[in-house]
Amino acid sequence: KNEVEQSPQNLTAQEGEFITINCSYSVGISALHWLQQHPGGGIVSLFMLSSGKKKHGRLIATINIQEKHSSLHITASHPRDSAVYICAVSTNSGNTPLVFGKGTRLSVIA
Amino acid sequence: ETGVTQTPRHLVMGMTNKKSLKCEQHLGHNAMYWYKQSAKKPLELMFVYSLEERVENNSVPSRFSPECPNSSHLFLHLHTLQPEDSALYLCASSQEPQNGFLRVFGQGTRLTVV
Repeated sequence: KNEVEQSPQNLTAQEGEFITINCSYSVGISALHWLQQHPGGGIVSLFMLSSGKKKHGRLIATINIQEKHSSLHITASHPRDSAVYICAVSTNSGNTPLVFGKGTRLSVIA
Repeated sequence: ETGVTQTPRHLVMGMTNKKSLKCEQHLGHNAMYWYKQSAKKPLELMFVYSLEERVENNSVPSRFSPECPNSSHLFLHLHTLQPEDSALYLCASSQEPQNGFLRVFGQGTRLTVV
């Protein structure tokens, strides 16, 4: 069992819908990342958070440390949001490797 | 332009070939990473270089050989690969310890071993 589990694995939404992607982890962490991987393979870091909530444009990331759970929300979704969204956690400071989830493939249809 | 550039973007090689992947970062970061992404699997860390010194290699097979000649360049030398090594290879960089775990990724090299 992976230490980082994401759900759903695949998600198809209509343009304009509110989207939620979930991430649960089974280890103690000091930071959690949300990453976006575009169809060509390139990866962009969306958020890094260790508590509470962060917002950037139409994207919102929340984390509940006690429940070991994070959510990524996309408001007013658009076809350009179609990508794979990856959750990753790290348990220590420094160069300790991130532990990645398998990703959630999102398709937003116009 | 993400600040981390990988070349080539696509590579097809035979099992007896020797090739190298290149990664270059223009962000002044002091740590660089190689990741492997296989189909339907999470990203796997292969190598970490911090201040040009390898700090972790996660038991990667010796047919993968990293090289970090300076803080801006990272290579992954490939030889006698297997078809199961076909994957997307991603390079990333970060500034430690200030950035914590925030990594900037390159676009990746999609490798096919035939």
